[in-house]
Amino acid sequence: KAGVTQTPRYLIKTRGQQVTLSCSPISGHRSVSWYQQTPGQGLQFLFEYFSETQRNKGNFPGRFSGRQFSNSRSEMNVSTLELGDSALYLCASRLGQTYTEAFFGQGTRLTVV
Amino acid sequence: QQQVKQSPQSLIVQKGGIPIINCAYENTAFDYFPWYQQFPGKGPALLIAIRPDVSEKKEGRFTISFNKSAKQFSLHIMDSQPGDSATYFCAASKINDMRFGAGTRLTVKP
Repeated sequence: KAGVTQTPRYLIKTRGQQVTLSCSPISGHRSVSWYQQTPGQGLQFLFEYFSETQRNKGNFPGRFSGRQFSNSRSEMNVSTLELGDSALYLCASRLGQTYTEAFFGQGTRLTVV
Repeated sequence: QQQVKQSPQSLIVQKGGIPIINCAYENTAFDYFPWYQQFPGKGPALLIAIRPDVSEKKEGRFTISFNKSAKQFSLHIMDSQPGDSATYFCAASKINDMRFGAGTRLTVKP
């Protein structure tokens, strides 16, 4: 079966712009979570969605937002980009809300210049 | 913000050695502890996971040891191979919440 698909794979944006990243989970998976990966910081939790509702949110500013659609696809939006937002953004899908394996996409590499 | 502390940051071992990666957590509500392996250019992939009702789980050359009272768990890789060279992340999870450690870059020298 198809894995988790993230688009685009690479993105270059200018400070102050906004960006939208997309994640298509594995078919049948209803839980989608987003992480920011930077060297030395590991994977920082952004938010988790289940059945179109945000169930949990990490400690990121309000410039970071997301949503999940009825087909479980999810989007993440970052407004007013800062240089420090440059990172690999990973999406993970799970069948349920806990005790289940998280399958990761290859990520979107965002560079803010 | 880092709810899961992982050490060491990097590790170099010879082929056949037994690298050990340690993690600690604070929140006792976490009830599922997976380890993920990540190769360059790829997303992390599940390696092995444990629930807190057992103290050890082994799958092939990978073993998790879990100490519930100390809120610590570790990954041991037996007979390590150059192909095991990757970044390893521990995680702690509860409903709607999975938090990761900062990662350990493992290098296995031939």
